[in-house]
Amino acid sequence: GNSVTQMEGPVTLSEEAFLTINCTYTATGYPSLFWYVQYPGEGLQLLLKATKADDKGSNKGFEATYRKETTSFHLEKGSVQVSDSAVYFCALSDRANAGKSTFGDGTTLTVKP
Amino acid sequence: NAGVMQNPRHLVRRRGQEARLRCSPMKGHSHVYWYRQLPEEGLKFMVYLQKENIIDESGMPKERFSAEFPKEGPSILRIQQVVRGDSAAYFCASSPAGGIDEQYFGPGTRLTVT
Repeated sequence: GNSVTQMEGPVTLSEEAFLTINCTYTATGYPSLFWYVQYPGEGLQLLLKATKADDKGSNKGFEATYRKETTSFHLEKGSVQVSDSAVYFCALSDRANAGKSTFGDGTTLTVKP
Repeated sequence: NAGVMQNPRHLVRRRGQEARLRCSPMKGHSHVYWYRQLPEEGLKFMVYLQKENIIDESGMPKERFSAEFPKEGPSILRIQQVVRGDSAAYFCASSPAGGIDEQYFGPGTRLTVT
């Protein structure tokens, strides 16, 4: 079956530091890949997505590139802000399991001023 | 354009009672998903429904849990005879079609069983 593995947290960074959160996946087909963000007390919001190999998703300064050869979709941001503090989830969905997205366990990011 | 709505936002039940969680998908969305998030854990898929149909319930516990998405009205996740281990945040998501599109999440219902 499908699976998503994220780097374990929590991750604590200073403001303006570079962020990488690793994500690797296992899927039987050709999945779409997503990063969602969850702020305290809220539901998940889509941050960015990529639907095919070598696609780069980007939003709010965050980027992730769909790497089929390494089955990875690492999240990066060049300069984090305190407001980026949240839990980040990597996820995938594919046609063989339509509707049943698979999520990683989430990585908690704390950015300190 | 209202997003996915869930109510109640917080629900407290004593052991043995029933919990009913409601989810209204985004306008135009006919696919609903329920997830459970235990404290300090990730999101676990429970069930995928379309109007009047359960498409995939492989993540639902075999007993006490049921879900429906009627032709009219919200989707309902029902937990009978709740136990302390059911305490969690329950999230509903919707999408315009099944498949590999992104899902739009509601704010969640936080269930506490005392």
